[in-house]
Amino acid sequence: SFELTQPPSVSVSPGQTASITCSGDKLGDKNACWYQQKPGQSPVLVIYENTKRPSGIPERFSGSASGDTASLTISGAQAMDEADYYCQAWDSSTLVFGGGSKLTVL
Amino acid sequence: EVQLVESGGGLVQAGGSLRLSCAASGFTFNDYWMHWVRQAPGKGLVWVSRIKHDGSSTTYADSVKGRFTISRDNAKNTLYLQMNSLRVEDTAVYYCGKDDYLSRWGQGTLVTVSS
Repeated sequence: SFELTQPPSVSVSPGQTASITCSGDKLGDKNACWYQQKPGQSPVLVIYENTKRPSGIPERFSGSASGDTASLTISGAQAMDEADYYCQAWDSSTLVFGGGSKLTVL
Repeated sequence: EVQLVESGGGLVQAGGSLRLSCAASGFTFNDYWMHWVRQAPGKGLVWVSRIKHDGSSTTYADSVKGRFTISRDNAKNTLYLQMNSLRVEDTAVYYCGKDDYLSRWGQGTLVTVSS
């Protein structure tokens, strides 16, 4: 079955660039999405179709994808970006999430 | 403003049933696919099911197939999830989500299945 693999945790210093990866078979062809979830809150879509940013999402969030890997990049990370991040893609008619990556800004 | 409000969660014994609802507002409900996603306590997101704009097509995760039924009432702008034969492992917060990008999520409703 199709699986998406993320690192459990990523750390970044404030103002630096954080990159979170997501790997899966031919993921670059599957229009990956990324969601941010802060403690006690519902997820929020931050990237869709690999690279597109919904309105209201800060420009410091960007996405890319190629081959078997999609990446979420946060340029100039801020304390408010500390959260869990989940990648997501479709496999046939089934939606699949990665296991999530906890981003720590310290 | 797009709003999704889930309800219907609660405590139920294993083998029991619950029906979740998701009331939608702020967008043309019958233009969009809708989804259910769940999250067990302290765990990640898991997709459960989706339904087409007009209810003519549904898809389920293997873990709930045959036990859960997704439906919608476009006249009431409401999405449903009928959950039967509940198991302890179905314990989770259940979210409804708008469209195939899950561009909006509700606040979630907690389902607890006891043994």
